[in-house]
Amino acid sequence: SQKIEQNSEALNIQEGKTATLTCNYTNYSPAYLQWYRQDPGRGPVFLLLIRENEKEKRKERLKVTFDTTLKQSLFHITASQPADSATYLCALSGYSTLTFGKGTMLLVSP
Amino acid sequence: NAGVTQTPKFRVLKTGQSMTLLCAQDMNHEYMYWYRQDPGMGLRLIHYSVGEGTTAKGEVPDGYNVSRLKKQNFLLGLESAAPSQTSVYFCASSFYGNQPQHFGDGTRLSIL
Repeated sequence: SQKIEQNSEALNIQEGKTATLTCNYTNYSPAYLQWYRQDPGRGPVFLLLIRENEKEKRKERLKVTFDTTLKQSLFHITASQPADSATYLCALSGYSTLTFGKGTMLLVSP
Repeated sequence: NAGVTQTPKFRVLKTGQSMTLLCAQDMNHEYMYWYRQDPGMGLRLIHYSVGEGTTAKGEVPDGYNVSRLKKQNFLLGLESAAPSQTSVYFCASSFYGNQPQHFGDGTRLSIL
């Protein structure tokens, strides 16, 4: 069966460091992979989309990589800030729907 | 521009009662989705719609029904609420199936 794995343990880092979150998947060949941010009590907010033929995508302090051989995506936040503290979800695209991972909580301390 | 609006934001039901959750989007999106989010389970797709008048089952459709009579609205119904349906329900919409989804802020539903 299809499976998406994100670190279930929270990631704690200091302000200014680079945060790296991992999304691994099995039994899936997504054409697109997306990353979302979710704050407590709010709905997920879209951050970045990367296609299967793209290795890397950047947006301001965010960077996503997509390795279809390893079946893995890495999500980086450089120069992290306390305001980046949230849960980050990866999602794999099917034809009509997304399948979400369970998310990783990021805590950035001052 | 409101985006995706969910009504109500909170609700408490008794077992066996029925209710309808409303989702409205003002972005002219074709696709709409209903998810539930439970601790440790992540977001799970209940039902979705690829256009006005269409509906399809997601991963966890049992106990729920949906309707998409107008393009901008997607309704989720609970026919006979059960405690296992206590959850946070999110509605989302997108232009097409593999495009970014826009989410509402959820309906927190408790069933006693």
